Amino acid sequence: ETGVTQTPRHLVMGMTNKKSLKCEQHLGHNAMYWYKQSAKKPLELMFVYSLEERVENNSVPSRFSPECPNSSHLFLHLHTLQPEDSALYLCASSQDPTGHAPAYGYTFGSGTRLTVV
Amino acid sequence: DAKTTQPNSMESNEEEPVHLPCNHSTISGTDYIHWYRQLPSQGPEYVIHGLTSNVNNRMASLAIAEDRKSSTLILHRATLRDAAVYYCILLGSGNTGKLIFGQGTTLQVKP
Repeated sequence: ETGVTQTPRHLVMGMTNKKSLKCEQHLGHNAMYWYKQSAKKPLELMFVYSLEERVENNSVPSRFSPECPNSSHLFLHLHTLQPEDSALYLCASSQDPTGHAPAYGYTFGSGTRLTVV
Repeated sequence: DAKTTQPNSMESNEEEPVHLPCNHSTISGTDYIHWYRQLPSQGPEYVIHGLTSNVNNRMASLAIAEDRKSSTLILHRATLRDAAVYYCILLGSGNTGKLIFGQGTTLQVKP
């Protein structure tokens, strides 16, 4: 149990489907993140939420839509994805809501393995 | 952003110490040195971090050079479960707390 739970663990979806990935943390952290890890590539930071407000969007296509209703939950809504979007999607949280205290570590979930067919 | 350089891969024998190097010659005074590892089919796991002084925890030790331009993650007795990709990452106060991953070092542990 890492403290950050992601569901589902695996997801297969067609290009016309709409699905959502869920992330939940019970660590009392104030910042949450979405990362994408494609095969044989480094993790790519997609979105950053600090105190439930999106503070960063790293040029992610609009077919990925994040939502952070409260500090414990983070969603990634998916629609009209492409096969190249198949990847491991990782959620993380940290205690630092401001990004100005780099002494805090991140806690990651186990990820959702997404396959777009 | 300050970058880090790590060897692509390393090998170790089980129950022997492992020293994983990281160069960060452009580190700024406020950058923390973080280490994470990623086991197969899992998300990254926090290992250790430090600023200037050497650090120890139950997982590993972090040795930081006096000029802070390099650091070494030390696993005192490698086990097969330590086989993973190890990432050395600089985290500064001015980068909105972004943890940016590079390629890391793939550690193989031989029985």
